[in-house]
Amino acid sequence: LAKTTQPISMDSYEGQEVNITCSHNNIATNDYITWYQQFPSQGPRFIIQGYKTKVTNEVASLFIPADRKSSTLSLPRVSLSDTAVYYCLVGDKRQVAGSARQLTFGSGTQLTVLP
Amino acid sequence: DGGITQSPKYLFRKEGQNVTLSCEQNLNHDAMYWYRQDPGQGLRLIYYSQIVNDFQKGDIAEGYSVSREKKESFPLTVTSAQKNPTAFYLCASSIVLGQGGNEQYFGPGTRLTVT
Repeated sequence: LAKTTQPISMDSYEGQEVNITCSHNNIATNDYITWYQQFPSQGPRFIIQGYKTKVTNEVASLFIPADRKSSTLSLPRVSLSDTAVYYCLVGDKRQVAGSARQLTFGSGTQLTVLP
Repeated sequence: DGGITQSPKYLFRKEGQNVTLSCEQNLNHDAMYWYRQDPGQGLRLIYYSQIVNDFQKGDIAEGYSVSREKKESFPLTVTSAQKNPTAFYLCASSIVLGQGGNEQYFGPGTRLTVT
């Protein structure tokens, strides 16, 4: 997977829009960008995935510039329940046979939503 | 209702004992993974399997073993050779191997404490 860099932590207030940026300078042509959310003592949960431009679903938007060297997860009008760790993952979809690809998550961004 | 189950949620063992963590999925996914998470850290890949009777070492396989005799099941054994086994263990699956672009579904995790 491509190496990614995210801020360690961010604070926000309820009702605000939050943008978390992930840098991935060595992203490859076939790589996708995927974001996960993790609450304490639970497994991560898929939020959104994209390849280029903008993707939107019911919970978030993902903005990817033309050079794809970074991406921004946007959470509209956050609430206290959005307090969690957010992980950015970059890699390709291809099925790998018999290799030892490194498939890892970084430390993520701890988002704390304040009342 | 499809998903991944892990049992037990909490597990306590004495040092020197082997322990097996259960992971079952009914999503009909080919690929399964085991991760370890330490406090305040990201997820590190222990083992992964892209198909029945096949599995590969991840970043931190030493002191662990797995089997994949059935598509639905991917148990992890933490052996006495694992120097620091106390951690939160997460099992995941995806339709095919390649977490970079395929959504991973995570189980609720097993918190193992070894004293």
